[in-house]
Amino acid sequence: DGGITQSPKYLFRKEGQNVTLSCEQNLNHDAMYWYRQDPGQGLRLIYYSQIVNDFQKGDIAEGYSVSREKKESFPLTVTSAQKNPTAFYLCASRGSEKLFFGSGTQLSVL
Amino acid sequence: AQSVAQPEDQVNVAEGNPLTVKCTYSVSGNPYLFWYVQYPNRGLQFLLKYITGDNLVKGSYGFEAEFNKSQTSFHLKKPSALVSDSALYFCAVRDIRGTYKYIFGTGTRLKVLA
Repeated sequence: DGGITQSPKYLFRKEGQNVTLSCEQNLNHDAMYWYRQDPGQGLRLIYYSQIVNDFQKGDIAEGYSVSREKKESFPLTVTSAQKNPTAFYLCASRGSEKLFFGSGTQLSVL
Repeated sequence: AQSVAQPEDQVNVAEGNPLTVKCTYSVSGNPYLFWYVQYPNRGLQFLLKYITGDNLVKGSYGFEAEFNKSQTSFHLKKPSALVSDSALYFCAVRDIRGTYKYIFGTGTRLKVLA
């Protein structure tokens, strides 16, 4: 089946630790996105990539990093500089002028 | 700046009654508008989009939305609500200036009562 796969479903971060969230798509889409979802705040854009080897900061990029070495993959690293990382993270790709979303990763701090 | 507002945090409706979830937008130029639905602990699912053409857009699961340029609104509607429609609904607008950013509202929780 075609789609967006996010892993893991749940992730726990210790103080001072970097963690990486995986996002893979087999839809052959050029553009991919990372959003953060907090209760009552909707979705906020962290980073997006229009094409391989290129990406742009979104509205809340501080404390996060990304790479786009392959068309299929757009991993997000939550660094120790992100002081409030607890949230639901959603990855998406763009096709036919709309976004296709993965099922999300819930990140919590230990 | 492009923005989307969903003025209601929650909407309650009785099963079988019509439902409306409100969305207003602020954009430069002609907007690309979207509705998505989210079930608990899941990603967002696409319902419908407006890019151009007929102001009444029909989407998945019997939902429709009306684009109103003078009121800058894009309200989601369904003639007869189902209990299974209970979920979190998001309105979104795409930045058409070339950045391809999608901006989402804060979401409206729909509760359909049996």
